[in-house]
Amino acid sequence: ETGVTQTPRHLVMGMTNKKSLKCEQHLGHNAMYWYKQSAKKPLELMFVYNFKEQTENNSVPSRFSPECPNSSHLFLHLHTLQPEDSALYLCASSQDYRGAYNEQFFGPGTRLTVL
Amino acid sequence: AQTVTQSQPEMSVQEAETVTLSCTYDTSESDYYLFWYKQPPSRQMILVIRQEAYKQQNATENRFSVNFQKAAKSFSLKISDSQLGDAAMYFCAYRGTFMEYGNKLVFGAGTILRVKS
Repeated sequence: ETGVTQTPRHLVMGMTNKKSLKCEQHLGHNAMYWYKQSAKKPLELMFVYNFKEQTENNSVPSRFSPECPNSSHLFLHLHTLQPEDSALYLCASSQDYRGAYNEQFFGPGTRLTVL
Repeated sequence: AQTVTQSQPEMSVQEAETVTLSCTYDTSESDYYLFWYKQPPSRQMILVIRQEAYKQQNATENRFSVNFQKAAKSFSLKISDSQLGDAAMYFCAYRGTFMEYGNKLVFGAGTILRVKS
């Protein structure tokens, strides 16, 4: 596969469940991102990892727990979510996070519904 | 903090016609990047066009062009000869150039573009 892939594409979970979202990039990039996309709102940057180190955490609730085991994989672990957490979760990657501009490439997203 | 505003939640255009999507932004920086991204239904978001603020010339990519008005902090996207495949959500985004900001994008809320045949 090429580009940025995300699994699952759709997920329905109860508030007491624990689930994980997976992102994989095949571009040789060193920076990976999690975004939350809610209807009629701008994309919200949640986390950034650069060379496997967490660089940004935009005041995300602790019920979202990211993990970056290597530069190609990024996970978002979910537990005790709320219905307002229902959204499209997008993963992106870029060559680097610091320095000159470099393009972010996005995955197709995971549509999450919390019941 | 930088903000990006897209004042048109939805737009419609007839196939083969031209449509312009609006975007305004707020920043105190003098140098930055501006982008338009396209997100087709259930498909990946892709970069359509990019503009560097220090360049006076408006960026163009085939049927896509921008009208960059730096003083007015306006960055509109013009799509010429609209095609059915142009139907998507379009996001305007901003990136500063200072090293401490990192490669962080600030997005607008998006404009849904519908193309009528």
